[in-house]
Amino acid sequence: DQQVKQNSPSLSVQEGRISILNCDYTNSMFDYFLWYKKYPAEGPTFLISISSIKDKNEDGRFTVFLNKSAKHLSLHIVPSQPGDSAVYFCAASVTGANNLFFGTGTRLTVIP
Amino acid sequence: KAGVTQTPRYLIKTRGQQVTLSCSPISGHRSVSWYQQTPGQGLQFLFEYFSETQRNKGNFPGRFSGRQFSNSRSEMNVSTLELGDSALYLCASSFLDRGSTDTQYFGPGTRLTVL
Repeated sequence: DQQVKQNSPSLSVQEGRISILNCDYTNSMFDYFLWYKKYPAEGPTFLISISSIKDKNEDGRFTVFLNKSAKHLSLHIVPSQPGDSAVYFCAASVTGANNLFFGTGTRLTVIP
Repeated sequence: KAGVTQTPRYLIKTRGQQVTLSCSPISGHRSVSWYQQTPGQGLQFLFEYFSETQRNKGNFPGRFSGRQFSNSRSEMNVSTLELGDSALYLCASSFLDRGSTDTQYFGPGTRLTVL
């Protein structure tokens, strides 16, 4: 049972434009959400996180939005750069339980 | 501050053998989690250790086990290897107090191939 879903396996965006990656979850107990970037044969690199007490968190070019009623979060990258090309995973957890549930990933390609 | 390190980076074993993977967390981090990544199942949680105690366990058979030492370093062991155990095994650490949630930082992984 996939509790965290990323329904778009891939996304292509022109350099300089906005990239929007989406993630849905089913478990209403999740209260901490993270986005990771991953290259093949490497470990995921942490990008940004958000707690369920917030609906938005920004860090430089990255912004994560959380819609708890829809059980949906999204990652916005503005402006997109070719170096952003990678697979992006969203993950969720419950406070006090340090195990992450991952989505299946979205491959972002930023075209120069 | 040094990141999470994992050894070895690559490993080739044959069916029936056992394997031990090692993880050194970021200095000061007390929680270590292990994940398995395969093309078919994606990233799945194996188990988590905090202060030398296993606190959480994912849905994996008993052939997968782990331990944590007093310096927070962790090892995971897979016995009686099967072809399906071929995967990237990832270790993550976090500075975690009980009852709170903190960001997990991942190591580069160990690529295990079972022949």
